[in-house]
Amino acid sequence: EVQLVESGGGLVQPGGSLRLSCTASGLTLSTYWMHWVRQVPGKGLVWVSRISPDGSRTAYADSVKDRFTISRDNPKNTVYLQMNSLEADDTAIYYCVRDSPVGATRLESWGQGTLVSVSS
Amino acid sequence: DIQMTQSPSSLSASVGDRVTMTCRASQYISTYLNWYQQKPGKAPRLLIHTTSSLQSGVPSRFSGSGSGTDFTLTISSLQPEDFATYYCQQSYHTPYTFGQGTNLEI
Repeated sequence: EVQLVESGGGLVQPGGSLRLSCTASGLTLSTYWMHWVRQVPGKGLVWVSRISPDGSRTAYADSVKDRFTISRDNPKNTVYLQMNSLEADDTAIYYCVRDSPVGATRLESWGQGTLVSVSS
Repeated sequence: DIQMTQSPSSLSASVGDRVTMTCRASQYISTYLNWYQQKPGKAPRLLIHTTSSLQSGVPSRFSGSGSGTDFTLTISSLQPEDFATYYCQQSYHTPYTFGQGTNLEI
């Protein structure tokens, strides 16, 4: 079964940076739009960002714009989320999600998530 | 940004019940509406996309309807494994906002 695997989460101080990575086993990510979605444990889902297959088009939630950058390295089959100027409100589980290969956007396949904790 | 509002926030039901939950968008989104199911400690799962299309592998007791701003998710006969939180999401415009969720409990 194809799995998305996130890594790079952890504890960071306010104002610090982290880079999350997402890779897949058994699937070439380069043909898919990819997304990051976050969730404070016990709370709702929040869409964070997306990137086009070739990496030329990106979009962000207002809450992370100018602080987070989504990117991808297709030869490495990896999608990234660079998170700078982290705030306590960024504490959440971050999910990497694959979009459908056809049709309208839908979050079809989810990783297991990686926890980011921002605290001093 | 498009705001998504789900109701009710929580819903109590029994096995075998028919349940309906709603999702309202703050502006027109055509049929660009998806539904997800999430169980505690697990990643969400796509159930229905573009309002009414059942994702592969999802049981036919799940159905969706609506258009424009008002949408519904119906479970025709609740099974024990259906007790979970359900989220709607619009994919009409970025940011692709979610509703706050409906917690379906026994």
